[in-house]
Amino acid sequence: EAGVAQSPRYKIIEKRQSVAFWCNPISGHATLYWYQQILGQGPKLLIQFQNNGVVDDSQLPKDRFSAERLKGVDSTLKIQPAKLEDSAVYLCASSFGLAGGDEQYFGPGTRLTVT
Amino acid sequence: AQTVTQSQPEMSVQEAETVTLSCTYDTSESNYYLFWYKQPPSRQMILVIRQEAYKQQNATENRFSVNFQKAAKSFSLKISDSQLGDTAMYFCAFMKQLVSDMRFGAGTRLTVKP
Repeated sequence: EAGVAQSPRYKIIEKRQSVAFWCNPISGHATLYWYQQILGQGPKLLIQFQNNGVVDDSQLPKDRFSAERLKGVDSTLKIQPAKLEDSAVYLCASSFGLAGGDEQYFGPGTRLTVT
Repeated sequence: AQTVTQSQPEMSVQEAETVTLSCTYDTSESNYYLFWYKQPPSRQMILVIRQEAYKQQNATENRFSVNFQKAAKSFSLKISDSQLGDTAMYFCAFMKQLVSDMRFGAGTRLTVKP
């Protein structure tokens, strides 16, 4: 079974530029998550989708971050404009359902550096 | 709000020995899930072990076991017969029963020395 795919793996941009990350979850997984992991911290949930609907985006900075999951499969996360404090690893994860306790499978992450 | 605390930023252990990683959490929920995830250097995060709060029996997965103390809100991970491949960041995480918003601790960096 193929795992969660993410691209790009690394990205360096200047502040005020825009950037987009892509995620392809495990086939058949209804729920998709985007996490932000700042160096030295644990991952923090940004947004959660079930199929193509948003379940939770309470921690997403909506003035600069946006995400979509068209057709309930792939997802993109965009930052526009980027700030220095957005430097982090962005992790995508997926799980089969929405029920609490479902194992979440993580992708390799995209390491973003904002200069 | 649920918080997860890992008080040991770094730990080391000799190969073949046993090590215990600590985790405490704060919640008013009675039913929930607890997890330990492993993040090896430059590799993706994988689930090590999971515990349902309603189960009194501690979860075990091969060399990995937990000591779940519900009243104390403590959830420690014991790694027996440590191997070099166990070197990684270990994250403790909490999830409510009916939603899958997972809250992570800050992590413990474990180094297994030959």
